[in-house]
Amino acid sequence: ETGVTQTPRHLVMGMTNKKSLKCEQHLGHNAMYWYKQSAKKPLELMFVYNFKEQTENNSVPSRFSPECPNSSHLFLHLHTLQPEDSALYLCASSPQLWFLNYYEQYFGPGTRLTVT
Amino acid sequence: QQPVQSPQAVILREGEDAVINCSSSKALYSVHWYRQKHGEAPVFLMILLKGGEQKGHDKISASFNEKKQQSSLYLTASQLSYSGTYFCGTDDGQETSGSRLTFGEGTQLTVNP
Repeated sequence: ETGVTQTPRHLVMGMTNKKSLKCEQHLGHNAMYWYKQSAKKPLELMFVYNFKEQTENNSVPSRFSPECPNSSHLFLHLHTLQPEDSALYLCASSPQLWFLNYYEQYFGPGTRLTVT
Repeated sequence: QQPVQSPQAVILREGEDAVINCSSSKALYSVHWYRQKHGEAPVFLMILLKGGEQKGHDKISASFNEKKQQSSLYLTASQLSYSGTYFCGTDDGQETSGSRLTFGEGTQLTVNP
């Protein structure tokens, strides 16, 4: 595998279910991100990790819980979601985060989540 | 506050040029451009930094007017492969981590034969 992979690619869950999204990057990067992409809306940054430490939580509801056990893996744990949470969830990685130093982000293909 | 992109959509014939604009109401430190094809992941195109430094690796070019808080992406001699949605992401340099990008709604570009 190369680049950034995400599993599953599609997920349908009920509002009372608990599920997890997985992201893995094979690029040797140290920063990882979760984004939400809804129809007709801009990409929304949710969480950022740098060297396994969370550096950003963009006022995301607690029903979304991120986990970064190491620099290569990122999870998004989901529980008691709402129908409006249905969206494409994208994971991305970049070499690292450093003040006013910018690196391109490499995105995974996303998980299409439908909450019923 | 999210940047504003214009136009929202554009249709070209192969070989034609296009310009996509990204404007912010806030002072910017950097502007990032990505392209997303339908059903695929966004792909990095360019980063433009305050002070003129530019990073990119494609035939597509861009400019960054710091005073106007605006960036433009130039697509010349468009190819069919240029079709997709183009997003700009902006950063005002206030966050110490350098991580927070605010994206525009995207410009849908269609190149026809």
